[in-house]
Amino acid sequence: KAGVTQTPRYLIKTRGQQVTLSCSPISGHRSVSWYQQTPGQGLQFLFEYFSETQRNKGNFPGRFSGRQFSNSRSEMNVSTLELGDSALYLCASSTSGTGVDEQYFGPGTRLTVT
Amino acid sequence: QQQVKQSPQSLIVQKGGISIINCAYENTAFDYFPWYQQFPGKGPALLIAIRPDVSEKKEGRFTISFNKSAKQFSLHIMDSQPGDSATYFCAAGPLGNNNDMRFGAGTRLTVKP
Repeated sequence: KAGVTQTPRYLIKTRGQQVTLSCSPISGHRSVSWYQQTPGQGLQFLFEYFSETQRNKGNFPGRFSGRQFSNSRSEMNVSTLELGDSALYLCASSTSGTGVDEQYFGPGTRLTVT
Repeated sequence: QQQVKQSPQSLIVQKGGISIINCAYENTAFDYFPWYQQFPGKGPALLIAIRPDVSEKKEGRFTISFNKSAKQFSLHIMDSQPGDSATYFCAAGPLGNNNDMRFGAGTRLTVKP
């Protein structure tokens, strides 16, 4: 079974631009969560989508948004990029996101904002 | 926002030695404590997890020790191998809601041959 895939793997943007990241979950997984990983803050939860609906949201500004499609693929968008948005963005998928439901992480998209 | 403190930031151990990574959490409502292993260029992968009804859980060379009263838990890697060199993250959160999980900042482990 194929793992979680994320595209692109690396991205360089300039301040003020916007970016869209993509995540394809493991087949059959309906929950997709997004995390930001930085050296100083570790992994921080951005939001979770389940059946095309945002089910949970972390403490990030409205510049960070996402969506999920009917095939469970998810996209994350960051508008008006800031230098501090430079990070590794990870998505994780799970069957339902409840219970002891292991999350499987993708390799991440490394975003650099200059 | 970080409610889980992890130490040390980095750790160097000789092959065959014991690696110990510590975490402390704040929220007494947390009842699920997983550890993740992350290799360069890869996403984190679940290594081992514990619930607070037990004080220790062992899987192969990996052991979690849990101290509920102190709100601390630790990962012990016995007979550490160079292939264990990776970044390790502890996490804590409510069972049943992966999305309220709080992660430690990570420990970069290097096992020297």
